[in-house]
Amino acid sequence: GAGVSQSPSNKVTEKGKDVELRCDPISGHTALYWYRQSLGQGLEFLIYFQGNSAPDKSGLPSDRFSAERTGGSVSTLTIQRTQQEDSAVYLCASNLGRLAGGRDNEQFFGPGTRLTVL
Amino acid sequence: GESVGLHLPTLSVQEGDNSIINCAYSNSASDYFIWYKQESGKGPQFIIDIRSNMDKRQGQRVTVLLNKTVKHLSLQIAATQPGDSAVYFCAENIQGAQKLVFGQGTRLTINP
Repeated sequence: GAGVSQSPSNKVTEKGKDVELRCDPISGHTALYWYRQSLGQGLEFLIYFQGNSAPDKSGLPSDRFSAERTGGSVSTLTIQRTQQEDSAVYLCASNLGRLAGGRDNEQFFGPGTRLTVL
Repeated sequence: GESVGLHLPTLSVQEGDNSIINCAYSNSASDYFIWYKQESGKGPQFIIDIRSNMDKRQGQRVTVLLNKTVKHLSLQIAATQPGDSAVYFCAENIQGAQKLVFGQGTRLTINP
């Protein structure tokens, strides 16, 4: 497909387990973003990739959270030793990564992964 | 994270009425703004955008107004329909930065 895809769409895990969430950005998009959205709340920025490097990881809430991107494409967000407060929808977005401004700054979102930690 | 962790404000309007959703942005250096619509179970989708050198832009049934003096953005939806029920987010791009900063969002409910 032409859009951003994420997998799995839903993930239920037990407290203390590790989880991996995957994002496939739009082909050719060099910038990739991860957000967290708790129930009934807004978007919380987690990390941003330009290519394979992460110039801004200021939003990662703890050292249990990490992300990587390989080949300038697929990204994986890993949460270790999950806690119940990690339950949320994790959204991924991508764009062309230009600083030209205007519509180039639009981010295209995937459908999200709903994570439930029991 | 950068967005506030508050529960979303809500707005209810009757089908066919007009609605106005407001957003206060944070940075006077922001040069571009987007309104996103998020339906239940989906990711946010682009609705309309505006550059900082404009104060109004119109789309199909939607109008965005920008007041840079008070750093305020609004989204007007005309003749609302049930499909307009969603959460609406404003987002600002700070000039020279490579990420959007999202507002807290407003839940719009269209009553039949």
